[in-house]
Amino acid sequence: SAVISQKPSRDICQRGTSLTIQCQVDSQVTMMFWYRQQPGQSLTLIATANQGSEATYESGFVIDKFPISRPNLTFSTLTVSNMSPEDSSIYLCSVEDGAPSRYYGYTFGSGTRLTVV
Amino acid sequence: RKEVEQDPGPFNVPEGATVAFNCTYSNSASQSFFWYRQDCRKEPKLLMSVYSSGNEDGRFTAQLNRASQYISLLIRDSKLSDSATYLCVVNVGRAGNMLTFGGGTRLMVKP
Repeated sequence: SAVISQKPSRDICQRGTSLTIQCQVDSQVTMMFWYRQQPGQSLTLIATANQGSEATYESGFVIDKFPISRPNLTFSTLTVSNMSPEDSSIYLCSVEDGAPSRYYGYTFGSGTRLTVV
Repeated sequence: RKEVEQDPGPFNVPEGATVAFNCTYSNSASQSFFWYRQDCRKEPKLLMSVYSSGNEDGRFTAQLNRASQYISLLIRDSKLSDSATYLCVVNVGRAGNMLTFGGGTRLMVKP
């Protein structure tokens, strides 16, 4: 399965500032996904990042707040902009694992634990 | 109603016990199904895919009931290391952006 390096692993940020999270994959992938996991909750998809086109955002998430870059097939960044304490969460990137059958799985980065103070 | 529902638990079981989790999903167009395991402060990791005919991987057995729209995970001979949160994940389409996660079921295996 794919190996994802996600940075930073954690950060404590002041409200009003921005944080950029990076994910590097050890293989080329078409789509990369960004999730948020709020305390005690399950994962919610923020957006899908395709190389060469704008990211597709899910309901409740907008580009101005969560700009995404996808400069090539192995790398993506998610920025959390103008942060507030409500943005405190774990942010995870994910890619689809190629497999010979349609029962493929998804690999996740190790996550970025963000605390906004 | 949530798209994917799980009993949050926690399920507290002794070592060696057999424990089963269920998960229900609301979208009848769902095409693929997974169980993920998430340890505390870690990322989710794929435990197993769920095949229509049911499938087994060692001590773990997954079942799918499309008519009733539920998925189950059975863990036999529980180990302390099985303590984690188990996430039921449903994919409506083939693309990853159709993944929907259940809230997770927490399992605690005690000596």
